[in-house]
Amino acid sequence: EAGVVQSPRYKIIEKKQPVAFWCNPISGHNTLYWYRQNLGQGPELLIRYENEEAVDDSQLPKDRFSAERLKGVDSTLKIQPAELGDSAVYLCASSLGLVGEIDTQYFGPGTRLTVL
Amino acid sequence: ILNVEQSPQSLHVQEGDSTNFTCSFPSSNFYALHWYRWETAKSPEALFVMTLNGDEKKKGRISATLNTKEGYSYLYIKGSQPEDSATYLCARHNFNKFYFGSGTKLNVKP
Repeated sequence: EAGVVQSPRYKIIEKKQPVAFWCNPISGHNTLYWYRQNLGQGPELLIRYENEEAVDDSQLPKDRFSAERLKGVDSTLKIQPAELGDSAVYLCASSLGLVGEIDTQYFGPGTRLTVL
Repeated sequence: ILNVEQSPQSLHVQEGDSTNFTCSFPSSNFYALHWYRWETAKSPEALFVMTLNGDEKKKGRISATLNTKEGYSYLYIKGSQPEDSATYLCARHNFNKFYFGSGTKLNVKP
């Protein structure tokens, strides 16, 4: 079974440029998460989708970040314009979205973003 | 926001040594705790999910214990091997949110 796929794996851009990350979750997984991991810290949730609905985007900086999950499958996370402080690893994860049971997340390899 | 703390931040051991590290978290309203292993350039891999106080899980040479009353979990690696070198993350699972620690980076020298 294919795991969570993310692209690109690495991205270097100059500040004020736009950037987009793509995630393809595990087939059949209803829940999709985007996390940001800053150097020396743990992953922090940016947004969580249940199918195509964003159910938790409280930590997403909405002035410059946007996300979409069309048809409840693939997802794209965009930053426009990027700032120096956006340099981080962006992780995508998916899970079955079990109700009343413990849900395990499966992660992609992440996109390492460097903003110069 | 739940504060999940891991210690030590990094650890260097020799091949064959046994080692352990700690994940501490707020004990109130506990739901579940997850452990992940994250090797460089790979995806974080789920190791264990633990829910009950006193839970002990084992996978090969790696095991974990859970104390929900005092809010901590230990991860043990017996007879460390170079392939165990990775960052070990714990996450407290609260409803639909996962709160991660900053990880323990383990380096096993051959």
